[in-house]
Parts: sequence; structure tokens; C-alpha cells
Amino acid sequence: QSVLTQPPSASGTPGQRVTISCSGSSSNIGSNTVNWYQQLPGTAPKLLIYSNNQRPSGVPDRFSGSKSGTSASLAISGLQSEDEADYYCAAWDDSLNGPWVFGGGTKLTVL
Amino acid sequence: EVQLVESGGGLVKPGGSLRLSCAASGFTFSSYSMNWVRQAPGKGLEWVSSISSSSSYIYYADSVKGRFTISRDNAKNSLYLQMNSLRAEDTAVYYCARLIAVAGTEMARWFDPWGQGTLVTVSS
Repeated sequence: QSVLTQPPSASGTPGQRVTISCSGSSSNIGSNTVNWYQQLPGTAPKLLIYSNNQRPSGVPDRFSGSKSGTSASLAISGLQSEDEADYYCAAWDDSLNGPWVFGGGTKLTVL
Repeated sequence: EVQLVESGGGLVKPGGSLRLSCAASGFTFSSYSMNWVRQAPGKGLEWVSSISSSSSYIYYADSVKGRFTISRDNAKNSLYLQMNSLRAEDTAVYYCARLIAVAGTEMARWFDPWGQGTLVTVSS
């Protein structure tokens, strides 16, 4: 069971806007920045959003992140077929269990 | 180009040992903390271990503490994970990842890039 909680699945049609939530606690999301990773089928994870809402160069502005309290969200607008992937949130955790925690991942299906 | 390349995975029997390596290139390896993250087949990501740039700070997930040892050789631009007393539940793709840390109004940390991963299978 993951420390950060994500819905296991999400879906949308091309052009739609989809959001994926990530819920944590005061020791992780509540006091540290959130990152999002995209994992395309059969590939390694790739940084998608860092520091809550920053996009690395090369990531389309269709992807955006936000954080409020102990929760964070990833939004994908103008959904495209190539966005079909697994998405993971992650945050540093101040507790003794270990510095890094991940969400269980959300499989996004483009219908 | 910043690149991380893992190696050393394979099939090992329960109770056995394996040493993973991660070769870094395209950046000043000695300036960055490094991490191992694993992914069991069909499962999500699990952080395994972290090591600071000078090896002064080392952390492990509870699931591997006492069995795995992370190390690095800055002269060789390499990261290692010595895995002992392996169990079936250690079966996973193991990724190495560079930690980026930026101090601002709050400390921001993230993993970038990730290697392509190396598969470790623990089975009799």
C-alpha cells in the first residue's frame, strides 16, 4: 500500500481534460514539493512535473500541476493518444520511514 | 547528454546476492545525490535507497534495510547496489536516478533523469 494515494485508473477521449489526484499527509505533500512522473508502456519513468507545478523543457504545456494542503493534482488538457501511460506522484517525506514516497500510480487510458 | 545506464541484473536464487551498477555520463557525478528505485512486475514505483554526493548520508527503505548496501565511486562515475539475502519479493526492475535539489522558499527535490532499468529476478 502506497503512502501517497492515487486513483488506479483514469480515462478520457482525445481533446478532453483529465485530472489525476494525489493525496498525502503533513509529513510529505503538506510540507514538501510534489513531482509527477510519466511512464510510457515498456519504458523508464520520465520527469513530467517538478516542484508542484514546473514543467521541464520539452514537456508540453498541456500538462500542469498544482498543490493544496496535503493533496496535489496533475491536469492534462487537449488529451492525445500518446498521453496513454502510467502517472506517478512523488514527494519527500519528513517521517522516519524513508525520505521518498510514491503514489501507487494511475493508468491513463485514451478512449 | 545526461545519461544513466544500469547493469548487473539477472536471475538469482532466494538467499543469493547480486550487485547492480549504474554508469553515469554527461554531468558532474560527484556533485549529485543518487538513488535506486524499483518496480515489481505490474506494480508501482518503490524508492529503495539514497546516497549523498560524498557518501556522507545514506538511506534505505525498511524493506531492504540490513540486506542492501548502496555505494558510489565518484572517480568512476558509478553507483552501486549490493543486494544480499535476496527474496522473491525483491524481483523488480531496478532504476537508478539522479536527485536534483534546489533551495528556494522551500527545498525542491526531484529525480531526473532515470536510467533504463535492469531486471532482477529472484526465483528457485
